[in-house]
This record gives sequence, structure tokens and C-alpha cells, in this order.
Amino acid sequence: AQSVTQLGSHVSVSEGALVLLRCNYSSSVPPYLFWYVQYPNQGLQLLLKYTSAATLVKGINGFEAEFKKSETSFHLTKPSAHMSDAAEYFCAVSDRYGNNRLAFGKGNQVVVIP
Amino acid sequence: NAGVMQNPRHLVRRRGQEARLRCSPMKGHSHVYWYRQLPEEGLKFMVYLQKENIIDESGMPKERFSAEFPKEGPSILRIQQVVRGDSAAYFCASSPPLAGGEETQYFGPGTRLLVL
Repeated sequence: AQSVTQLGSHVSVSEGALVLLRCNYSSSVPPYLFWYVQYPNQGLQLLLKYTSAATLVKGINGFEAEFKKSETSFHLTKPSAHMSDAAEYFCAVSDRYGNNRLAFGKGNQVVVIP
Repeated sequence: NAGVMQNPRHLVRRRGQEARLRCSPMKGHSHVYWYRQLPEEGLKFMVYLQKENIIDESGMPKERFSAEFPKEGPSILRIQQVVRGDSAAYFCASSPPLAGGEETQYFGPGTRLLVL
């Protein structure tokens, strides 16, 4: 079974500073990996996904993530935080040989400080 | 192209009542997934359905919960005799048919269930 670990439920970052959200996965087969963003009282929006093409994946809103098999990681970064980045971010993994269901981490609540 | 639709957005029930949550997938999507988000938790998989078939219900509680995705109409998640612990946000996602590779799931806005 797949699983994802996200450490640090709340992350504070200054406006203009680097955003770094860590995600480590566990999977017995090559994974698909995703980052989703959730704004208050809304559904999840896909930021980016890794499906075994390029290991550095670029997403929407200036975010990117790098798949590192040796570290079983898929950390999310953005060079310069904007106030609109305040939201909750979820990392998820699915089994490429299975039924496409997602296993989510507990999420990171990002607060952007002016 | 309309996104995934869920209704109602908010639902209040008293203990012992039934809750029905509806999900209309995106046009052209024949796969529906239901997830539950408890406070301070990530989303947990509940059930995966295709039209008229339950493919994987390994995340569904054994009692009181059921799901369907009929040939016509939306997918329904039904919770009978609700208890306070059922209070959560329930999200539906849809995807196109799996073609041997990953298919992105698109999420609806969720139904927030409050059991009094």
C-alpha cells in the first residue's frame, strides 16, 4: 500500500521568500505523485503531477516539484511566496498498476506573512 | 466544460437521520471516487465506482455507508443513521477512463456534513 508523509502541519513563510513543502512517499511499485492545493471551503485543485517523465515537474502558479527516487521524496517549491499562496497543500500518491485511488498526506497549512 | 458538481454544499442532519450526497462527474468522465476529510486530517479514500459498478470499496465503513453510480444520473453517497463522528467534508472526484496510465482526478467543491 502507498502512503505519504508531510511533516509540519503549519508552515509560515514571509512574502517573497522561498516556499518549501516536504513530501516523502512509500510505495512498493513505481508511483505517480501529485500536489494539490485547497483554498478555504473549496475543493482540491491540481498543482502538478509526476508520471515518470521528467523528474522536475513544473505546475501552475509558479510551483515546481522534483521527484527523487533515492530519497523517496517529492518536495514542492516556489521561489517567491505571494499572499495568494496561503492555502492548504496536500501531497498524494497513487499506484500506477492499481485503480488510480489516491493516498493523501495530512497536508500543510501555509501562512504567508506580509 | 463544467467541473465536478456536488450538492448540497452544506448538509445538516440530526443523529439517526439519513444523509444523501450527490456528485455529477465532469463531462466524459466515467470514473468517480469519494473521499472523506475529517478535521485536521488529509483526505481518505472511500470508494471507487464506474457506471453501475463498484470497483473498490475498501475505504468504506462496513455499516451504514453505501454508494452507487447509476447508468443515468449522479453518483450518490448514502449514510444511514448518521452519528456525530460522520461530520466531515466529503469530496467527489472524477477521471476519464483509465487507459493504462495515470489519469488525473478532478475534485468537486465538497459537501460539508454536520451531524447535530
